[in-house]
Amino acid sequence: AQSVAQPEDQVNVAEGNPLTVKCTYSVSGNPYLFWYVQYPNRGLQFLLKYITGDNLVKGSYGFEAEFNKSQTSFHLKKPSALVSDSALYFCAVRDIINDYKLSFGAGTTVTVRA
Amino acid sequence: DTAVSQTPKYLVTQMGNDKSIKCEQNLGHDTMYWYKQDSKKFLKIMFSYNNKELIINETVPNRFSPKSPDKAHLNLHINSLELGDSAVYFCASSQATSQYEQYFGPGTRLTVT
Repeated sequence: AQSVAQPEDQVNVAEGNPLTVKCTYSVSGNPYLFWYVQYPNRGLQFLLKYITGDNLVKGSYGFEAEFNKSQTSFHLKKPSALVSDSALYFCAVRDIINDYKLSFGAGTTVTVRA
Repeated sequence: DTAVSQTPKYLVTQMGNDKSIKCEQNLGHDTMYWYKQDSKKFLKIMFSYNNKELIINETVPNRFSPKSPDKAHLNLHINSLELGDSAVYFCASSQATSQYEQYFGPGTRLTVT
């Protein structure tokens, strides 16, 4: 079965510092990988995805992610974090058997301090 | 314009009652989903419809029944509510193929007392 793991429950960074949120995946075949963000009391918002092509994917709000096949990772990054980036971040992978099904990681809470 | 909307936003009810949550999307998408987010923020797919056809039906109690009257609407009816049903329920939609991202509604916080 396809799955993603987010090894960190929480990430704390100072504003202006680089932000990294880690995600590793387990998929048989080519993975479709996604990052979503959830602000308090809101629905999830799509940030970026990797389907094929360039390993470095750029997304919304200055976020990017690097697909690394050898390390089976898809880490989310932002060069300079903002206080407004404080939120819950989810990594997700498409299911191989049922194309429409996404399996989500447990989420990583990011806190950016001023 | 709201892309994916859900009503109600909050729902407080007693055990044993029956309730419905409605979802509408104006994005022209063919596929709609229901997710449950528990108190630990874990997100799990429940159902999905593609052009009014059920395509995902996870291990969910029979008390939960989705209905899609047309491809812009997906409702969730819950019978005989239990304490463990308390959660936030999210509706989402996407285009028909798996490479496309899903757009989520604002959620319905269900509290069963």
